[in-house]
Amino acid sequence: DAKTTQPPSMDCAEGRAANLPCNHSTISGNEYVYWYRQIHSQGPQYIIHGLKNNETNEMASLIITEDRKSSTLILPHATLRDTAVYYCIVRADTTLYGNKLVFGAGTILRVKS
Amino acid sequence: GAVVSQHPSWVICKSGTSVKIECRSLDFQATTMFWYRQFPKQSLMLMATSNEGSKATYEQGVEKDKFLINHASLTLSTLTVTSAHPEDSSFYICSARGLAGGAYEQYFGPGTRLTVT
Repeated sequence: DAKTTQPPSMDCAEGRAANLPCNHSTISGNEYVYWYRQIHSQGPQYIIHGLKNNETNEMASLIITEDRKSSTLILPHATLRDTAVYYCIVRADTTLYGNKLVFGAGTILRVKS
Repeated sequence: GAVVSQHPSWVICKSGTSVKIECRSLDFQATTMFWYRQFPKQSLMLMATSNEGSKATYEQGVEKDKFLINHASLTLSTLTVTSAHPEDSSFYICSARGLAGGAYEQYFGPGTRLTVT
């Protein structure tokens, strides 16, 4: 699976949009971009994933560049409860016995009031 | 939907004893389960992958005789830390992949905090 690069930490004001970047320049054609987050002392929580089109769900939006070498996770209105470590992971398509999720260092997002 | 539970949520044991951690997929069948370990201020490290009814595949550097994994059914996997030592103290997180909500995805349990004294 392709490697990802994320900034180690970011701050965001409460109520503002949080934009978390991720570089995955070696991504291959069948690899998806996944985002998970981990709030302190809890298991990771799935946020969103995409292949090449932008995606949106109730939690966030995922913007993938046309060349797919980078992406941005957008939390439209960050709250204090969004403070967490955010992981960007690239993985090939999941099948019945699909590939594993390998976590990097992630980005610590601190939402401040 | 797609809930994964772990039991216990925390455990303290004495050095040299064994500890079993259970991981259950509550509302879907998990064809594959994963076990991760996380030390303070570090990321999750994958320990092993197991498919139902098959032997687990361990990542490099993980001792299979020390970390026994059993995936006996499509909803239950167990991790047994044998002859635990203080350096095994960590946050253990299981993850289950299966068909939930119309797609195959991977969901995580809440984690188990193990402290070995």
